[in-house]
Amino acid sequence: DAGVIQSPRHEVTEMGQEVTLRCKPISGHNSLFWYRQTMMRGLELLIYFNNNVPIDDSGMPEDRFSAKMPNASFSTLKIQPSEPRDSAVYFCASSQDGRPPYGYTFGSGTRLTVV
Amino acid sequence: GEDVEQSLFLSVREGDSSVINCTYTDSSSTYLYWYKQEPGAGLQLLTYIFSNMDMKQDQRLTVLLNKKDKHLSLRIADTQTGDSAIYFCAESMGAGNNRKLIWGLGTSLAVNP
Repeated sequence: DAGVIQSPRHEVTEMGQEVTLRCKPISGHNSLFWYRQTMMRGLELLIYFNNNVPIDDSGMPEDRFSAKMPNASFSTLKIQPSEPRDSAVYFCASSQDGRPPYGYTFGSGTRLTVV
Repeated sequence: GEDVEQSLFLSVREGDSSVINCTYTDSSSTYLYWYKQEPGAGLQLLTYIFSNMDMKQDQRLTVLLNKKDKHLSLRIADTQTGDSAIYFCAESMGAGNNRKLIWGLGTSLAVNP
């Protein structure tokens, strides 16, 4: 298995532009998580999906952030418009219900820089 | 509330043992985890322990769980420079499609030659 695949690995964009981050979970995993990592706040859960349905989006910072999971093998996280304070590393992770120990498999992350 | 706490930094000499500590809040957590994050990479599951165990050993790694004090530790024997990384403690909360992991802020381990 190729693991959780995220793209792009790095993104540099200007303030006000739209940014789309992509994630392909491990085949057969039915839960998908989007995290943001910064030095100041550590690892923050933004949103998670179970069987393609958003379960908890309480971590999404504001309306500029949106996430979709149109099918079991693909998810996007969109920021529109982007702001410098959105600069962070964004991770996608997936897991399989009913399969202890229920740990997550993480992608390599997307490092976003908004200038 | 939900809270997992870890010390932020640890520095050891190569060959010594490292002990990274963590406290958690939910006594009903079924699994507790240690993840490792190397520079520029995602988090990788290093080891985990089920809540009915008090110790788990895996090669150089020893996990100790004190449920009474809600304290988890990770011991790395014969620490190598390749062990330099950030180590995250996490607890599993909820069940079914409401299951999620609660994370500590991570302990940055520096191994000095």
